[in-house]
Amino acid sequence: EVQLVESGGGLIQPGGSLRLSCAASGFTFSTSDMHWIRQVPGKTLEWVSAIGTAGQTFYIDSVRGRFTMSRENAKNSVYLQMNSLRGEDTAVYYCGRVKWEVRTLDIWGQGTMVTVSS
Amino acid sequence: QSALTQPPSASGSPGQSVSISCTGTSSDIGGYNYVSWYQQHPGKAPKLIIYGVSKRPSGVPDRFSGSKSGNTAYLTVSGLQAEDEADYHCGSFAGTSWLFGGGTKLTIL
Repeated sequence: EVQLVESGGGLIQPGGSLRLSCAASGFTFSTSDMHWIRQVPGKTLEWVSAIGTAGQTFYIDSVRGRFTMSRENAKNSVYLQMNSLRGEDTAVYYCGRVKWEVRTLDIWGQGTMVTVSS
Repeated sequence: QSALTQPPSASGSPGQSVSISCTGTSSDIGGYNYVSWYQQHPGKAPKLIIYGVSKRPSGVPDRFSGSKSGNTAYLTVSGLQAEDEADYHCGSFAGTSWLFGGGTKLTIL
C-alpha cells in the first residue's frame, strides 16, 4: 500500500524547536522528490519545503534559515527540523510525494499538528 | 510568492454542474501546464483529483474536469452528488516553488 505517515508534531513554545518525520512505503522512495506542506487552521494550504533525489532543498521565504529538510533513503524517510518557531508556524504539516514529470503532489500523508503557543 | 485566488464558496444542487476558478499569474498558472486540484473532506488529507490542468488520476470519476485559460484555471464538477461536498484547493508549479489557492468550500444544496 502506498503510504506516507508523519509524526513528531505537538505543542511547543515560541522560540522552540521540533523535528517532524515522514515515513514512506509502497513506492520507490529514493527516486521521489518529497515536500512538506502546511495547512493553517481554516483551510489555506501553504507549500513549505522540498527535497530532491540528490538532496537539494528549497524553502518558502518565511521559513528559510529556520527550517531544514533532510532525507534518509535507507529508512525511506524525510525530516523537517524546525527551529525558532513562531505562532504563525501553527498548522497541520503534511508530507507529500511529487510526481516530477507532471509537477504534482500525488501522495499525501495524514498530517501532524504543530501548535506554537506559550 | 502570493497564493492563488479562489472564491471562498460555491454551491449547487444534486445533478447540477458547478465551476470553481483559480487565478494566478504568468509566473505560475499562465506559465506552465502544471495545475492540480485537490479535494479535501473535513479532518482528512487532500486528495489529488486533477493534474496537468485536465488529467484525472485512476479512480477519479469523469464528473471532475479541469481546464485553463491564460492565468486562470477551472475545476468543473458535473452531476453533483452529496459526497462532492468538500473543500477544493488548486495548486500550481511556479518554477522553484509550489503555490496553492485559499480553497473553495463546495456545498451541495
